[in-house]
Amino acid sequence: AQKITQTQPGMFVQEKEAVTLDCTYDTSDQSYGLFWYKQPSSGEMIFLIYQGSYDEQNATEGRYSLNFQKARKSANLVISASQLGDSAMYFCAMREALNTDKLIFGTGTRLQVFP
Amino acid sequence: DSGVTQTPKHLITATGQRVTLRCSPRSGDLSVYWYQQSLDQGLQFLIQYYNGEERAKGNILERFSAQQFPDLHSELNLSSLELGDSALYFCASSVAGDILAKNIQYFGAGTRLSVL
Repeated sequence: AQKITQTQPGMFVQEKEAVTLDCTYDTSDQSYGLFWYKQPSSGEMIFLIYQGSYDEQNATEGRYSLNFQKARKSANLVISASQLGDSAMYFCAMREALNTDKLIFGTGTRLQVFP
Repeated sequence: DSGVTQTPKHLITATGQRVTLRCSPRSGDLSVYWYQQSLDQGLQFLIQYYNGEERAKGNILERFSAQQFPDLHSELNLSSLELGDSALYFCASSVAGDILAKNIQYFGAGTRLSVL
C-alpha cells in the first residue's frame, strides 16, 4: 500500500530565504502522482503543486518547486524567497492506489517564517 | 478561493445528535470527495461521489452517510455523534472521476465540528 512520510514536524526559515520540506513515498506502482497542499492557520487546504511520475522535469509553480528524485522516492517541496504568509502546515499527498482518486496524506510539516 | 463552498463553517452540537454538512463543488467539477482531519488520525479520506454515484469509500463509519444530488452538490450526514467525531471535515472536488494522474482535488475551507 502507498505511504507518505514527512519526517519534519516543524521547520523555521527566515524571510526571503529558501526552505525545503521533505517528503518520501512508498509505492509499487509505476504511474502515480504527488501533490503538495498548504494549510494556513485559518484551516483551508490550498493546492500548491503536482508532479507526475512520468514527468521528465521537476514541477514549478511560482515560488514553489518540487525536487523529484524518483529513484530515492522523494518529492521535496522547495519554497524560494520565503514570505511571512508562507507560515502554515504543508502536506504531501499521493493517490492511495492506481485505480482510485483517494488521496493519502503525510502527517505534515509546520513551517514558520520569521522576519 | 478554491471555488468549493462548504457550509456551515462551524458546528457545535451534543453527543447523540445528527448533523448535515453541505458542499458545493467548483463549477464543472463532477467529483466530490469528503475527508476528515483530526488530531489523532490526521487527514483521512471518507467517501467519493462522481456525477451522483458513489465511486469510492474509505474509512467512513456506518453512522456517517453521504449523497450527491443532481445539481452536484453533496451532503455528509453524521448521526449518533460521539466526542471522537469532533474534527475538521473537508469537501474537495475535481473535474473527473476517471483515474487521471493529474486529477487535482480542490478543497473547500472545511466545516469544523465540535461535539460536546
